[in-house]
Amino acid sequence: GAVVSQHPSRVICKSGTSVKIECRSLDFQATTMFWYRQFPKKSLMLMATSNEGSKATYEQGVEKDKFLINHASLTLSTLTVTSAHPEDSSFYICSATGTSGRVHEQFFGPGTRLTVL
Amino acid sequence: SQKIEQNSEALNIQEGKTATLTCNYTNYSPAYLQWYRQDPGRGPVFLLLIRENEKEKRKERLKVTFDTTLKQSLFHITASQPADSATYLCALDADSWGKLQFGAGTQVVVTP
Repeated sequence: GAVVSQHPSRVICKSGTSVKIECRSLDFQATTMFWYRQFPKKSLMLMATSNEGSKATYEQGVEKDKFLINHASLTLSTLTVTSAHPEDSSFYICSATGTSGRVHEQFFGPGTRLTVL
Repeated sequence: SQKIEQNSEALNIQEGKTATLTCNYTNYSPAYLQWYRQDPGRGPVFLLLIRENEKEKRKERLKVTFDTTLKQSLFHITASQPADSATYLCALDADSWGKLQFGAGTQVVVTP
């Protein structure tokens, strides 16, 4: 149980385009979802926290107009990287917590590798 | 400033031995600490959670200790196997809503 999926797993896009990444909790309701980005051999950096039905809370230094987060339902959150540039290339990972019985345990998606040319 | 430090050097260990990883933190007062495993190109997988009032937690071949005085957690993999090769991340709760702050992780390489 407690499976989180992400789609797509890999995406390559041209500079200036927008990319949407989906994060789904498959077998539980995710009251909170988190979005991270990770550079090679570096820690996961929290970008934002999203609660279903409300606006996302962004971490300091993360541009909310650049990284649009929508948590439209208890099983789906999306991250849209708008007007992507090569420096946005990274590994994006979502996680979810919810009604799985383990309040503090985050279940992570498999990640999305974004490459901006 | 707040810091979570894990050994950046890879830990190379022979199969069957015990691997011990360290997580040190400063300027945090975590209510709990978690350990995750991450394989290359994959998201982290939860392993263990230990609360501030717990000294030790075990799960199969894994053991975690938590010393809030030393501000340190130790993560042990006993009877290590090549399949244990991965990067292990520690994470602390950053607020009461489940937000986590991660260390950079320590890579473990278990050789037969």
